[in-house]
Amino acid sequence: GAGVSQSPRYKVAKRGQDVALRCDPISGHVSLFWYQQALGQGPEFLTYFQNEAQLDKSGLPSDRFFAERPEGSVSTLKIQRTQQEDSAVYLCASTFRRGQKNTEAFFGQGTRLTVV
Amino acid sequence: KQEVTQIPAALSVPEGENLVLNCSFTDSAIYNLQWFRQDPGKGLTSLLLIQSSQREQTSGRLNASLDKSSGRSTLYIAASQPGDSATYLCAVPSFGNEKLTFGTGTRLTIIP
Repeated sequence: GAGVSQSPRYKVAKRGQDVALRCDPISGHVSLFWYQQALGQGPEFLTYFQNEAQLDKSGLPSDRFFAERPEGSVSTLKIQRTQQEDSAVYLCASTFRRGQKNTEAFFGQGTRLTVV
Repeated sequence: KQEVTQIPAALSVPEGENLVLNCSFTDSAIYNLQWFRQDPGKGLTSLLLIQSSQREQTSGRLNASLDKSSGRSTLYIAASQPGDSATYLCAVPSFGNEKLTFGTGTRLTIIP
């Protein structure tokens, strides 16, 4: 597609429910990132893939968060047993090529998760 | 650890004025710096990517400057319009890694 696509755009989950957020990056983009954005804050890094390899997951807040990119394209961020503090906008970004120091990041529209 | 600060947090100016948004970062070992725009309830739109070897980058009414040694970047918006109202974020990648560290943004309101 022309841009980074995320679905769903909005998700309301009951506390304790599992959710799955999808990201479809720009075709040919090797690197994929997930960020979490709380209201009124800048995005915070969660995890990073190069093709199918998850190279950095240092930003995942707990072991309830899990991300995968099995075929090096579409990625899924899964949150198990959601809690109210997980309410945020989850943003996905992709960049063209690894090792390119000056690569521009392109973001999707985000998924707004509300845990009630 | 890289820290990015944006001042002011909010800014309101009358339409037609020129304005400057500021971004500062603590670790000058950066590859580039990127400015984004975010409209309410939307994702981030890339405005300008300024490389570490550049001092300025221009796109239409926008001009971004970068001074690595002092850890500062500015985004200059000329002849502001109501459609420029949004939150503006700057971000830098970690050295040896592409993950971005963001500032908290400047919420800009252009008054018609």
